[in-house]
Amino acid sequence: DAGVTQSPTHLIKTRGQQVTLRCSPKSGHDTVSWYQQALGQGPQFIFQYYEEEERQRGNFPDRFSGHQFPNYSSELNVNALLLGDSALYLCASSFTLWGGYEQYFGPGTRLTVT
Amino acid sequence: AQSVTQPDIHITVSEGASLELRCNYSYGATPYLFWYVQSPGQGLQLLLKYFSGDTLVQGIKGFEAEFKRSQSSFNLRKPSVHWSDAAEYFCAVGLGGGGGNKLTFGTGTQLKVEL
Repeated sequence: DAGVTQSPTHLIKTRGQQVTLRCSPKSGHDTVSWYQQALGQGPQFIFQYYEEEERQRGNFPDRFSGHQFPNYSSELNVNALLLGDSALYLCASSFTLWGGYEQYFGPGTRLTVT
Repeated sequence: AQSVTQPDIHITVSEGASLELRCNYSYGATPYLFWYVQSPGQGLQLLLKYFSGDTLVQGIKGFEAEFKRSQSSFNLRKPSVHWSDAAEYFCAVGLGGGGGNKLTFGTGTQLKVEL
């Protein structure tokens, strides 16, 4: 049973560019959440997708957007990259019909903005 | 807004010694509580969770945690630490329910194990 997978593993971008990160949830899960983890910090909630819609959003600007596909996989898009967007981006999946309380995390994508 | 406090940024213990990592939360009701572990460059692994019922919960790798409502705490414990336990540990709270279940994390406790 594959766990949560994310791609790419590492990414280097330049300020002002746009980036797309991808996530495939754990088998049987239907909900995907995205978190940003800056160096030395705990993960911060960006948003959550369920039934292909954004269900909940954290305190992040509109430059951060996402999408969920019919197969439950998800993308995180960040436009107009800033140096401060450099972080580890974590995807987590859960199963909403069981309450969705347990979230399982992928290995993350390390984004470096230069 | 809910918040999580992990007062210890770094903790060093000797291998074989006992361990307790502290976590306090601020929330109007009893949230769902979690401990995760993160090894360098890795994602988060769920150690244990508390939803309701018995306030002492057992997790993987020999860890346990106790929920104390009166203290708004959910401290993580292990009787005997192994060198492989060196990692960063995060406490998290969640609301759950159909309205979304975002997790709010503490800033983490870095555990170092001395051989």
